[in-house]
Amino acid sequence: GAGVSQSPSNKVTEKGKDVELRCDPISGHTALYWYRQSLGQGLEFLIYFQGNSAPDKSGLPSDRFSAERTGGSVSTLTIQRTQQEDSAVYLCASSLVTGSNQPQHFGDGTRLSIL
Amino acid sequence: GQQVMQIPQYQHVQEGEDFTTYCNSSTTLSNIQWYKQRPGGHPVFLIQLVKSGEVKKQKRLTFQFGEAKKNSSLHITATQTTDVGTYFCAGPLEGGNKLTFGTGTQLKVEL
Repeated sequence: GAGVSQSPSNKVTEKGKDVELRCDPISGHTALYWYRQSLGQGLEFLIYFQGNSAPDKSGLPSDRFSAERTGGSVSTLTIQRTQQEDSAVYLCASSLVTGSNQPQHFGDGTRLSIL
Repeated sequence: GQQVMQIPQYQHVQEGEDFTTYCNSSTTLSNIQWYKQRPGGHPVFLIQLVKSGEVKKQKRLTFQFGEAKKNSSLHITATQTTDVGTYFCAGPLEGGNKLTFGTGTQLKVEL
């Protein structure tokens, strides 16, 4: 597709369940980012995949959060044993090449609600 | 800790009035980017500034990067209802390849 695609668009689950969020970046983009945005708040950096280098996981809030990027394309963010404070919109972005001077292209996000 | 702050947090204006949001970093930035997020939407890249004192314009929007490369501003002339949204600045606060997003300024424009 032309843009960053995220699925599902909405996810409602019970506290304690595991969830998987998917991001399909723009074709050919080597850098992929995950952010979390709570209602009315800014973007909280979670993790960054940079080509073939080791990912920057410095923003993951706890060991319940993990992410992988297989084949340098699709990425999955997994949250285990979800808690109510995990409720937020999870945004994925990609950029053509690595570097802080690269524009990031965002998907529409996954709105996660933990009951 | 290191952070990027924006003021104001919220701004209500009448259509036709001007609007400015200010972005301040705790450290010098190699570059700064601006994004706009419409209500219910995702952030969309607007522009990047790299040089000290740089000024760039996009129609009614004027972006400026401070001389010390620690602050930036976005000025909208004669706001329209289409300008509604939250404006974020972002910069490589910790160096490396990731961006730290500012706290954002939410703009509401009333007819």
